[in-house]
Amino acid sequence: GAVVSQHPSWVICKSGTSVKIECRSLDFQATTMFWYRQFPKQSLMLMATSNEGSKATYEQGVEKDKFLINHASLTLSTLTVTSAHPEDSSFYICSARSQLSGFGELFFGEGSRLTVL
Amino acid sequence: GQNIDQPTEMTATEGAIVQINCTYQTSGFNGLFWYQQHAGEAPTFLSYNVLDGLEEKGRFSSFLSRSKGYSYLLLKELQMKDSASYLCAVLPAGATNKLIFGTGTLLAVQP
Repeated sequence: GAVVSQHPSWVICKSGTSVKIECRSLDFQATTMFWYRQFPKQSLMLMATSNEGSKATYEQGVEKDKFLINHASLTLSTLTVTSAHPEDSSFYICSARSQLSGFGELFFGEGSRLTVL
Repeated sequence: GQNIDQPTEMTATEGAIVQINCTYQTSGFNGLFWYQQHAGEAPTFLSYNVLDGLEEKGRFSSFLSRSKGYSYLLLKELQMKDSASYLCAVLPAGATNKLIFGTGTLLAVQP
């Protein structure tokens, strides 16, 4: 199947700093990527839809100035958590839909676990 | 609004069969997905249903009834490695093309 790679897998940072997470589609082009957040023992919550060459679409309650999304190419989207605080500690997962599978299966990156001290 | 319900936790015995149910209420319907997620890892695709009926893939099968807003994932010949969370996700109609996930069912397989 299609491959989505996410980096870094783990990141620990101090409160107030910014953290950038990269999401790459390795063997297909993705005009749209999705960023999810998952707290322990909870399901995936969609944060925003990243659109190549245009602004991201944020879900209700997600601060666009805090979670900056850039989708500069057909294979790369980045999520920057600005001025991170302990409550931002979570598992962040990106995904992209590939048409390689016919019905547009959603492929996930490996996830990035953010811990803010 | 969008609503997807699954049981929070289930327990089953190695070698047995388990059925995980999912009910949904969404604005339109373009398909239902099941994903498996082990702790600390990203979800992996298990199955996709868009028409009513049963889709079988090895030890895993998935059923859909669109009129009832209902699906289930059936796991046969359970193995210890099947212990994981199972996520039901629905693709609503419309141009947004976003998957909506249920809360997930944590399955514990016991010896």
